[in-house]
Amino acid sequence: GENVEQHPSTLSVQEGDSAVIKCTYSDSASNYFPWYKQELGKRPQLIIDIRSNVGEKKDQRIAVTLNKTAKHFSLHITETQPEDSAVYFCAAYSSASKIIFGSGTRLSIRP
Amino acid sequence: NAGVMQNPRHLVRRRGQEARLRCSPMKGHSHVYWYRQLPEEGLKFMVYLQKENIIDESGMPKERFSAEFPKEGPSILRIQQVVRGDSAAYFCASSPASNEQFFGPGTRLTVL
Repeated sequence: GENVEQHPSTLSVQEGDSAVIKCTYSDSASNYFPWYKQELGKRPQLIIDIRSNVGEKKDQRIAVTLNKTAKHFSLHITETQPEDSAVYFCAAYSSASKIIFGSGTRLSIRP
Repeated sequence: NAGVMQNPRHLVRRRGQEARLRCSPMKGHSHVYWYRQLPEEGLKFMVYLQKENIIDESGMPKERFSAEFPKEGPSILRIQQVVRGDSAAYFCASSPASNEQFFGPGTRLTVL
């Protein structure tokens, strides 16, 4: 079945540095790739998404890149701040009409 | 436009009881998804519904679990004869079409 792998599972970076989270997907028909941020005890919230007709998308300190040939996409957070600490999930919309989530990355920002 | 609403936010049940979780999608959204999240783990897809139809229930256990999204009213996730392993956070998400999803605050089920 469809699968999304996410790495790393935990990531600790110094405040002000960049953080990169990578995901690979198996369904070559996937065409929509959202990223969600989940703070402790809260709901997942969409922070950025990209569709398959675009290679890169940026929103202030957050950017996402997509390589359809290699079937992987990445989240980049620049100038990290304490409030960026959370669990981040990637996802891929499969051809089976559902979104498959990665296993999550726990990002910690060191002061 | 109110967001996705779920109730109750917290639910405590004893083993063998039934749990009913409700999800009201955002206005104008006709697609509802249910996910289960264990502590320190990711979101596991359970079921995808449109009004009065189950589109994909491949992630839902065959026994004790059922879901519906009636023409009127919220979507319901029903767990019969709950066991301790059912303790988790259950999130629903709604979508205007089959992609961008907006999550509700979740229901945290505790089975004693």
